[in-house]
Amino acid sequence: EPEVTQTPSHQVTQMGQEVILRCVPISNHLYFYWYRQILGQKVEFLVSFYNNEISEKSEIFDDQFSVERPDGSNFTLKIRSTKLEDSAMYFCASSFDRSKNIQYFGAGTRLSVL
Amino acid sequence: AQSVAQPEDQVNVAEGNPLTVKCTYSVSGNPYLFWYVQYPNRGLQFLLKYITGDNLVKGSYGFEAEFNKSQTSFHLKKPSALVSDSALYFCAVRDSSFSGGYNKLIFGAGTRLAVHP
Repeated sequence: EPEVTQTPSHQVTQMGQEVILRCVPISNHLYFYWYRQILGQKVEFLVSFYNNEISEKSEIFDDQFSVERPDGSNFTLKIRSTKLEDSAMYFCASSFDRSKNIQYFGAGTRLSVL
Repeated sequence: AQSVAQPEDQVNVAEGNPLTVKCTYSVSGNPYLFWYVQYPNRGLQFLLKYITGDNLVKGSYGFEAEFNKSQTSFHLKKPSALVSDSALYFCAVRDSSFSGGYNKLIFGAGTRLAVHP
């Protein structure tokens, strides 16, 4: 069964460093998303991406964040200068169809900012 | 504003007994409702959805959910729980009236289901 894959599973970084979280969505999907979950809190929407541009972003997704689909398979989330409060589990998701909108999620990347 | 509430942090049930995991929602238009399950070290797995039609929706692994518009609820149910159902369950909603953007999901806080042998 096709699945969304995320790497790495755990990323440890120093405050102020840049990190790139990688995702390979399901191959025929057209819509891509990042969510995050701070420990003990809700899963929160960060950004959605379609046709090589951001279609919606939350207030969490400030100038420190960016997304890119550099080739036909990868979808990345970059945090330019990490803060302690960026420590969270980051989930990538993809969907084929906007109307049915079943989003398929990866296993997540746990980001720990020290 | 759109929101989802899962009033129980944890639900405990004995194997073989029926289970219910509660979810209530608030949206301005008609809701698209989803249940996802998360097993340890796994991503969120889609269980079932309600968009229109029958209020009782059947999904994966024997789960079903009942949409109740008057109570704005979408409770997850299973007639006979298995130990392997123990996991974290998330309810999510999308507001169908929102025409901009591409269908972000609003999640509840999650409910941990523990099924005891």
